[in-house]
Amino acid sequence: AQKVTQTQTSISVMEKTTVTMDCVYETQDSSYFLFWYKQTASGEIVFLIRQDSYKKENATVGHYSLNFQKPKSSIGLIITATQIEDSAVYFCAMSLYQGGRALIFGTGTTVSVSP
Amino acid sequence: GGIITQTPKFLIGQEGQKLTLKCQQNFNHDTMYWYRQDSGKGLRLIYYSITENDLQKGDLSEGYDASREKKSSFSLTVTSAQKNEMAVFLCASSPGTISNERLFFGHGTKLSVL
Repeated sequence: AQKVTQTQTSISVMEKTTVTMDCVYETQDSSYFLFWYKQTASGEIVFLIRQDSYKKENATVGHYSLNFQKPKSSIGLIITATQIEDSAVYFCAMSLYQGGRALIFGTGTTVSVSP
Repeated sequence: GGIITQTPKFLIGQEGQKLTLKCQQNFNHDTMYWYRQDSGKGLRLIYYSITENDLQKGDLSEGYDASREKKSSFSLTVTSAQKNEMAVFLCASSPGTISNERLFFGHGTKLSVL
């Protein structure tokens, strides 16, 4: 069975610093895709970044980057130069290359950025 | 660009009542999803559909029915609302049927059962 676990419930950081949040996943499949989504206070959920399991290079988009450690089944999200607007709930998710294709989500990490 | 519209935004029901939530997308996406979000529990998949008239059960399908009569719409029915139930139901869509595609989400329907 597939599972995604986010153990950090909440993180508080100061503006302009770096925040790192963890995610571990379980799957028997050799090919899969890992995603991070952001849910703002209004409830809106938006896609941030994706890592393909067969790629060794960590994905980077803007001030979001990933720390993909395949042997540890870990996909961390790093946000550099945080802004107040980065305050949100961040969800890690996984989908499989074959079989059931819908996303499986973790429980989320709430990030609070203070000025 | 496109948009996913969920109606109603708020739904208050009575215990045992059958309740229907609707979702429309104008992206012309193939796949649509229903997720349930409970406080502190992330998003859990109820149903998804890869094309018109197709339905695939998620882990949380018991107690729900779904219908995809048109490519652009996907409805979810709570067959018998549970007392004190509170959750947000999120509709999403993705362009095709490939696992690496991002999902686009609606703003949700907030359900409260008295």
